[in-house]
Amino acid sequence: KAGVTQTPRYLIKTRGQQVTLSCSPISGHRSVSWYQQTPGQGLQFLFEYFSETQRNKGNFPGRFSGRQFSNSRSEMNVSTLELGDSALYLCASSADSRYEQYFGPGTRLTVT
Amino acid sequence: GQQLNQSPQSMFIQEGEDVSMNCTSSSIFNTWLWYKQDPGEGPVLLIALYKAGELTSNGRLTAQFGITRKDSFLNISASIPSDVGIYFCAGRTSGTYKYIFGTGTRLKVLA
Repeated sequence: KAGVTQTPRYLIKTRGQQVTLSCSPISGHRSVSWYQQTPGQGLQFLFEYFSETQRNKGNFPGRFSGRQFSNSRSEMNVSTLELGDSALYLCASSADSRYEQYFGPGTRLTVT
Repeated sequence: GQQLNQSPQSMFIQEGEDVSMNCTSSSIFNTWLWYKQDPGEGPVLLIALYKAGELTSNGRLTAQFGITRKDSFLNISASIPSDVGIYFCAGRTSGTYKYIFGTGTRLKVLA
C-alpha cells in the first residue's frame, strides 16, 4: 500500500500571499488530520476531517482552513501569510481517528 | 497549544545501551502512540497502544500503556546509531478526534 503523500514538499511564499497544500491519504483511510510543526511549539493540531466533514479544529486563526474531497484527499489553505506561519505542515491519515495515524513527509513552508 | 510532558528532553547514550523515555498527561487517554522523526521527514509510527497495562514490542522497541492511563513508556534496547532522531508520544482522549503530542525526546547515540 502506498503511504501518505503530500504536495508540494517545499514552498516559499511572501507575506500576505495565500497557499494551498495537498494530502492524499493511504488508500481506504477516511480520516485526515493536519498538524503544524515548529521548533518552538512542537506538533500542533490544526483540524481533522472524516468523510468530508470537519470533526475537530485546533486553536488556529481563521486564516487556516481545510477541506476534504469525496476520495478522502484533503487540502489545507492558509490565507494572508505571516512570517510566523513558516513551519513543516504534516498530514496524517487513519482508518478512523480512534486508531493509529500515519504521517506523510510534510510540506516545508517558508514565508519571507 | 496543548502538549504532553515528555522526558528526558534529550539524551546522549553509547551504542549498545538501553534507553528509556516516558510521557505523562493530566488527562486520561484511550490511545497512546509512539513515533520517531528524522530531520526534514514526517514522524514514523513505531508502536500503538490501546489498553491500560498493555505492553507491546516492535523489534528492539517496547512500549507500555500506563495503568493510570495518564502515562506511557518507551524502551529501546541495545541502541544502534540509526536510532538517532526525535521520539514523540501522542495521546488521545475518549470522544475526541485529535491526538496531542509530546514535546519530544532527542536521542543521540555515540558509536
